[in-house]
Amino acid sequence: NAGVTQTPKFQVLKTGQSMTLQCAQDMNHNSMYWYRQDPGMGLRLIYYSASEGTTDKGEVPNGYNVSRLNKREFSLRLESAAPSQTSVYFCASSEPLGQAYNSPLHFGNGTRLTVT
Amino acid sequence: AQRVTQPEKLLSVFKGAPVELKCNYSYSGSPELFWYVQYSRQRLQLLLRHISRESIKGFTADLNKGETSFHLKKPFAQEEDSAMYYCALLYSGAGSYQLTFGKGTKLSVIP
Repeated sequence: NAGVTQTPKFQVLKTGQSMTLQCAQDMNHNSMYWYRQDPGMGLRLIYYSASEGTTDKGEVPNGYNVSRLNKREFSLRLESAAPSQTSVYFCASSEPLGQAYNSPLHFGNGTRLTVT
Repeated sequence: AQRVTQPEKLLSVFKGAPVELKCNYSYSGSPELFWYVQYSRQRLQLLLRHISRESIKGFTADLNKGETSFHLKKPFAQEEDSAMYYCALLYSGAGSYQLTFGKGTKLSVIP
């Protein structure tokens, strides 16, 4: 049981390049999330998908797009990378928060992205 | 608006000393709070949740609604406790529930 799997683990991009971060979970969770982690800023929610077929903006969505491909997969796309997007990106999944009482988030190992 | 504040970026304690990681929250609804931990080179994972009133790895946290706090405590720190700790608040907004995290506190236990 792999839990939440993210690919790639590391990536270096040049300003203006595009890329997609992949995330898959095998826990049959309905909800999935993308966070970025920056020193001194903690974890900030980029986008989330409460259930298959829905996506919503989080705290810092600008410069990103997402796709909930199916129940298992939730991808994050950077169309034109900028140095400000240098960060560690975490995908997470859970049962719908508030419905499964106190359902915890299950996190992936993260993707370390550097934009030069 | 909901907010989680962890006032200390870094906390250093000696092995065997007591530990208290501070967390304060701001939320108009009924708060549900969590502590997550990230050990070096590992993924973030849930440490404990207030509703369970549990003790995990010797850590406890009590919700104090009067002081709007959810501080994480351990009586005797161990070297393996060195990690990044995040306090998180469950809130309701835009028709769904979300978790908002504090900025984190890095705990360093000195041998």
